[in-house]
Amino acid sequence: TQLLEQSPQFLSIQEGENLTVYCNSSSVFSSLQWYRQEPGEGPVLLVTVVTGGEVKKLKRLTFQFGDARKDSSLHITAAQPGDTGLYLCAGYTGTASKLTFGTGTRLQVTL
Amino acid sequence: SAVISQKPSRDICQRGTSLTIQCQVDSQVTMMFWYRQQPGQSLTLIATANQGSEATYESGFVIDKFPISRPNLTFSTLTVSNMSPEDSSIYLCSAVTGGYEQYFGPGTRLTVT
Repeated sequence: TQLLEQSPQFLSIQEGENLTVYCNSSSVFSSLQWYRQEPGEGPVLLVTVVTGGEVKKLKRLTFQFGDARKDSSLHITAAQPGDTGLYLCAGYTGTASKLTFGTGTRLQVTL
Repeated sequence: SAVISQKPSRDICQRGTSLTIQCQVDSQVTMMFWYRQQPGQSLTLIATANQGSEATYESGFVIDKFPISRPNLTFSTLTVSNMSPEDSSIYLCSAVTGGYEQYFGPGTRLTVT
């Protein structure tokens, strides 16, 4: 059973547009991570959020962890072709040492 | 952080044969994991590679099909045994260095014909 649902599944936008990817669950996560994966590569960690309500910024990327620690969002401002890739959220539940991965969002940014 | 390498990067194998994938980390890590991923899709955890003891497998994965070794704190192998076309996938290893953060290798793309 997939605990983390991401939306949208696929997003195709033009350079300069803004977008938001959502990661939702009915479970509470002790921490949540966002990864980006490009074809032929492994996922690369972008950010870890730990505290409910936490907001982190990484250049044009803004990550938010929901107050109840059940959801998260990734907002990209002025998307660039280099942002193209598969975005994955992943979370730890309780004291588990295993990550639960989201369903993934494939982003394509065109010129 | 940790830098993880995998060998081979890709392979094409005949059904019924076995392939062993190696995963090397550039530093000692607390935990290592093996995942499977269909291209463009999310990751499915196969097992946790435990140092000095048997791996812990997730539901749907068994040791006879996916034997795993972890002889030390920087190295692990995953064998895909008696392969069938359904085993065609990308296999990824990952490591946790001590906190929350998990780092991934580049993956091994396996095609079974």
